[in-house]
Amino acid sequence: GDSVTQMEGPVTLSEEAFLTINCTYTATGYPSLFWYVQYPGEGLQLLLKATKADDKGSNKGFEATYRKETTSFHLEKGSVQVSDSAVYFCALTSGNTPLVFGKGTRLSVIA
Amino acid sequence: ETGVTQTPRHLVMGMTNKKSLKCEQHLGHNAMYWYKQSAKKPLELMFVYNFKEQTENNSVPSRFSPECPNSSHLFLHLHTLQPEDSALYLCASSQDPSGRSSYEQYFGPGTRLTVT
Repeated sequence: GDSVTQMEGPVTLSEEAFLTINCTYTATGYPSLFWYVQYPGEGLQLLLKATKADDKGSNKGFEATYRKETTSFHLEKGSVQVSDSAVYFCALTSGNTPLVFGKGTRLSVIA
Repeated sequence: ETGVTQTPRHLVMGMTNKKSLKCEQHLGHNAMYWYKQSAKKPLELMFVYNFKEQTENNSVPSRFSPECPNSSHLFLHLHTLQPEDSALYLCASSQDPSGRSSYEQYFGPGTRLTVT
């Protein structure tokens, strides 16, 4: 079945550092890919998405590019802030299946 | 109210109690979902409803009983729970005419459940 693998956390960075959170997937067909973020005490929020190969999703300074050849959707941000501290989830759907989530990666940004 | 709301936000219950979690979406969506989020475990999809019909039940124990009276409201009825059922229960909705999750889901803030 479909699956998502993300890098284990926690990830701790200093403010203004570069962020990469790796995400790879296994899916039948051509899935849509998502990054969700969960801030402390809240539910998940959609951060960005990409629906076809080579699409780049972006939001709030975060970016991820749908790489079909490497089955990856890595999340990047050039300069993180303390307010970016949260848990980040990579997810996919093949269009006829419910969303499949990765285990989540906790990011802590220190001033 | 906008988005997806859940009540209560926190719930403590004994193993012999019966309680219900409520979810309401104000987005005009037609699909709703219950997830369980436990510490150090992946998000677990429990139930999916599309146009009030249950389309997914991922081998959830019968002590969890969902109810979807209309496309805006979703309940999770709880009875004789176990301590390992303590978790954050998240509700989500999506605009999904196919009955599956080809569209992004919008989540509520969750109910933090503790079973004593």
